Amino acid sequence: GAVVSQHPSRVICKSGTSVKIECRSLDFQATTMFWYRQFPKQSLMLMATSNEGSKATYEQGVEKDKFLINHASLTLSTLTVTSAHPEDSSFYICSARDLGQSNYGYTFGSGTRLTVV
Amino acid sequence: EDQVTQSPEALRLQEGESSSLNCSYTVSGLRGLFWYRQDPGKGPEFLFTLYSAGEEKEKERLKATLTKKESFLHITAPKPEDSATYLCAVQSISMDSNYQLIWGAGTKLIIKP
Repeated sequence: GAVVSQHPSRVICKSGTSVKIECRSLDFQATTMFWYRQFPKQSLMLMATSNEGSKATYEQGVEKDKFLINHASLTLSTLTVTSAHPEDSSFYICSARDLGQSNYGYTFGSGTRLTVV
Repeated sequence: EDQVTQSPEALRLQEGESSSLNCSYTVSGLRGLFWYRQDPGKGPEFLFTLYSAGEEKEKERLKATLTKKESFLHITAPKPEDSATYLCAVQSISMDSNYQLIWGAGTKLIIKP
């Protein structure tokens, strides 16, 4: 089945620094990738949708200058949290579409726990 | 407005005690309803997709059903390893071609041995 690899799984960074999270589709081409944020005991909150080769579409309230998304190839999307602050600490999850899957191809990465100190 | 509501918020069962989780949805038109399982600190794991009322799907101890207003995830004779948060999501036909999902808040299932 479709596999999405996300790393790092955990990262601790100092306030003011930037952190990059990678999301790779290992055995399929992902024309669309989704980035989610999840707070403790809450459901997934869509941050942005990225299409390969074009600019990401951000959800209302998500700062595109803080959360930079790059989807330069059909197998790789990155999320960079710039000038991170403690309130950016959260669980970030990516999802990619595999058009060959009957479930519309929503395969998720294993998530990245970001802690900003 | 498209909306997904899951109940209960949490459910504690004894091992072997069967029960059901509910996912109620309000959408202008349903393209698909998805069930996922999420373990702590992990990304969601796909379970089922349902497309039309009356459809049912099964996988081991889980069975998902769909009506025009809600979906149920039935769990039969659960085991402790079935403990997880179960998430429901829908895709509305009113959404754009990026196929975004509307998520419920999830049901945390705890199976005690």
